[in-house]
Order: sequence, then C-alpha cells, then structure tokens
Amino acid sequence: QVQLVQSGAEVKKPGSSVKVSCKASEDTFSSHGISWVRQAPGQGLEWMGGIIPVLDTTNYAPKFHDRVTITADRSTYTAYMEVSSLRSEDTAIYYCARDASITQTYFDSWGQGTLVTVSS
Amino acid sequence: DIQMTQSPSTLSASVGDRVTITCRASHDISRWLVWYQQKPGRAPKLLIYEASNLQSGVPSRFGGSRSGTQFTLTITNLQPEDSATYYCQQYYSSFWTFGQGTKVEIK
Repeated sequence: QVQLVQSGAEVKKPGSSVKVSCKASEDTFSSHGISWVRQAPGQGLEWMGGIIPVLDTTNYAPKFHDRVTITADRSTYTAYMEVSSLRSEDTAIYYCARDASITQTYFDSWGQGTLVTVSS
Repeated sequence: DIQMTQSPSTLSASVGDRVTITCRASHDISRWLVWYQQKPGRAPKLLIYEASNLQSGVPSRFGGSRSGTQFTLTITNLQPEDSATYYCQQYYSSFWTFGQGTKVEIK
C-alpha cells in the first residue's frame, strides 16, 4: 500500500506564502515522480506541477510557473510545494500524488490532502 | 494546453443501470487518458489508465474505451457505492489537464 502523508491544514494571510509537505517512501522517490494537484471548494481538479526526485527535474503548469516552487528532499523522502503571493482564490485542498512512473504522469496514489485557507 | 471536455456534468441513475460518461480531447492524445473516481471528502482514486486498462482492485463493472479523441467511461450494473464524481485526465502533453468532472447520483 503506497502511502503519501501530507502536512496539516494552514490558514494564511493574503500576500504570504505556504509550504506543504508530502512524506513518501524510498521506492516512490527512486522510481516515480510526485505531482501536486489542487481543488478549490466545490470545484474540479487542477494539476499544478511535479518533480522527479531521482532526476531533480521539475515541470509546472503555465498558470503556476511564477508562484509555485516544488522541491524534494531525498534524505527524508519528502516533497514540498510552496505557493507565494497567496490570494483568496488559492483557498483549496492541495493534494500530492504519485506518478505511475517517471514517464507516465497519471496518479496511482494520492495523499490525504491539505486544506489551505487564505483569509485576512 | 489540451482541453478536456466532459459530459454530462451530472447524471442520475438507478441501481443496476448502465451509465456512460464522455470525455473529449481538443487534440489527439492517443490512448493517454485516465479516469478517476472521487467521493466527497476523499482523494481521487484511479480507475482506468491508458484509456481502457482497469487498475488493480477496481471492480470489473467499470470499463473504458476510445474512439479518436472521444473517450468513454462505462459503469455497468451501477451500485450505490458508485455515487461519486468522475474525472478524466490526459497525460499526453507536458501539462496534464483534467475534465470538469461528472457527478453521478443514485436515484
């Protein structure tokens, strides 16, 4: 059973940043990529970007390229996703998800989600 | 970006019915499409990959097919636990995109 364990809920002020973590396993880090997908309240799924830890390469959706940074710590098998310049529209559940393989970016396992609320 | 258009946005069906959800890609994506099921308050779950391959552990009443740029998720013998929102996702291009979702309700 693949497990991705995310950090807890956050409440942030507009203009600030948030960093969400996703704890994975050695197998996930050595053979898979990790992506981040968000879901605004009552809305659909939106891919934000991803990282292949073993290659340390990242890929971002154009919409998020300037405000999102995805990193991976190979010593702790933890991926991170940071969003800067937060605005109310960034209020959402943020999921990390495991890519099925390094070359197949669909998601065969998901974290439990982290609710980020942006409010003044 | 490749746009994915799902229809219908909602559907209501009875237990035992056969339901069909459609996803159309704005460009050719070959067979690189998956389907997910999401229940309220839960993360999505992979059902189908490569347009028609059933993910391990998923009941055989779920099936996927492709005709050109149109993809179909079919649920035969609908069960109460199939009440959920279903999403398609393409993984052909470098930027992965989802359909808007189809909410399936049980009458």
